[in-house]
Amino acid sequence: GENVEQHPSTLSVQEGDSAVIKCTYSDSASNYFPWYKQELGKGPQLIIDIRSNVGEKKDQRIAVTLNKTAKHFSLHITETQPEDSAVYFCAASVYGGSQGNLIFGKGTKLSVKP
Amino acid sequence: DTAVSQTPKYLVTQMGNDKSIKCEQNLGHDTMYWYKQDSKKFLKIMFSYNNKELIINETVPNRFSPKSPDKAHLNLHINSLELGDSAVYFCASSRTVAAADTQYFGPGTRLTVL
Repeated sequence: GENVEQHPSTLSVQEGDSAVIKCTYSDSASNYFPWYKQELGKGPQLIIDIRSNVGEKKDQRIAVTLNKTAKHFSLHITETQPEDSAVYFCAASVYGGSQGNLIFGKGTKLSVKP
Repeated sequence: DTAVSQTPKYLVTQMGNDKSIKCEQNLGHDTMYWYKQDSKKFLKIMFSYNNKELIINETVPNRFSPKSPDKAHLNLHINSLELGDSAVYFCASSRTVAAADTQYFGPGTRLTVL
């Protein structure tokens, strides 16, 4: 089955700096990779996703890159702000699969210091 | 309006007791899920239901029994609670069972077994 590794487990940056979180996956059949943000005391919320037919996707200060050959994908946050502080999860699954079974990484706690 | 709601938010109980967590979604989605998040923040799917039918049942002890009375509700009943059941339980829903459909998470229920 699929296994998703996520690094680092904690990340501390100064406000305005960039943050990068990296994930690797094991199942070459996986082709859908969402990222979730979990704020303290809340449930995870989708912030961006990418499918294997593209190598990069951007939404304002957030971007995700995918390298299918190496089986890794990354989340990039530019111009970080204190409200970006949260736990971020990557996940992998098979797009169009009949079971919607997302396999999550173990999370990265991002702290943005003012 | 809350899209995915769970009750209760906190649940403290003794070992051996039986307890239930309720989940409701008002998004008109066909698919609902239960996830367990342990103390290290690791998110793991437990069950998923599509149109009130069980489609995913990960290796969860049979002390855990989900019930879906209708598409908008997925409840989780736990018998003979154990210390290791202490965790945050998240309900989620998605429009269909396809992996690429965004999963919307509830606020979580923090279960503490003493």
